Amino acid sequence: GQQLNQSPQSMFIQEGEDVSMNCTSSSIFNTWLWYKQDPGEGPVLLIALYKAGELTSNGRLTAQFGITRKDSFLNISASIPSDVGIYFCAVRNSGGYQKVTFGTGTKLQVIP
Amino acid sequence: NAGVTQTPKFQVLKTGQSMTLQCAQDMNHNSMYWYRQDPGMGLRLIYYSASEGTTDKGEVPNGYNVSRLNKREFSLRLESAAPSQTSVYFCASSNGGRVQETQYFGPGTRLLVL
Repeated sequence: GQQLNQSPQSMFIQEGEDVSMNCTSSSIFNTWLWYKQDPGEGPVLLIALYKAGELTSNGRLTAQFGITRKDSFLNISASIPSDVGIYFCAVRNSGGYQKVTFGTGTKLQVIP
Repeated sequence: NAGVTQTPKFQVLKTGQSMTLQCAQDMNHNSMYWYRQDPGMGLRLIYYSASEGTTDKGEVPNGYNVSRLNKREFSLRLESAAPSQTSVYFCASSNGGRVQETQYFGPGTRLLVL
């Protein structure tokens, strides 16, 4: 099946630092999504990207949909302790009804 | 509104036992989904229901059955649990069908099969 390569797998950063993570695929997708999962909770959508090259911000978060439609990145600026969690990229399958394929996640730990 | 609710929150089963995971949403969404989450694997789709009265297999359907009881409720049944089904199970819902749709997730059910 389709596979999304997400990196890094985990990262430790100091509070106040900026964070960058990315996601790549061997296939082209028309919709890229970024979710955050807090410990013990279900994932919550952070940003959705629908057009190649699109750059979208949500507060301290910025995500871009790659021009090739095979990649995306998520940046978090000035990290705070509540940014801790697992960040998933996801793509919407072109052949499926609303089916979403998730990456393996980036686990973020923020050191106060 | 409660959003998406799941019961139970935790469950321990012995190999071969059966159980049903319950999911309900109060957002009048058409589509509902069951995922499992395993370490290092992300979330994988087990089954989904595009609308009331329909269900379809996802990526990893073997060993599971589902029932879309009504628009609100979508249950996942393990007929004969196996240790490989130890996982965290998430239910999600969405309005379905349109490009700019958001899936809303429940808090998860943590299942351990011994």
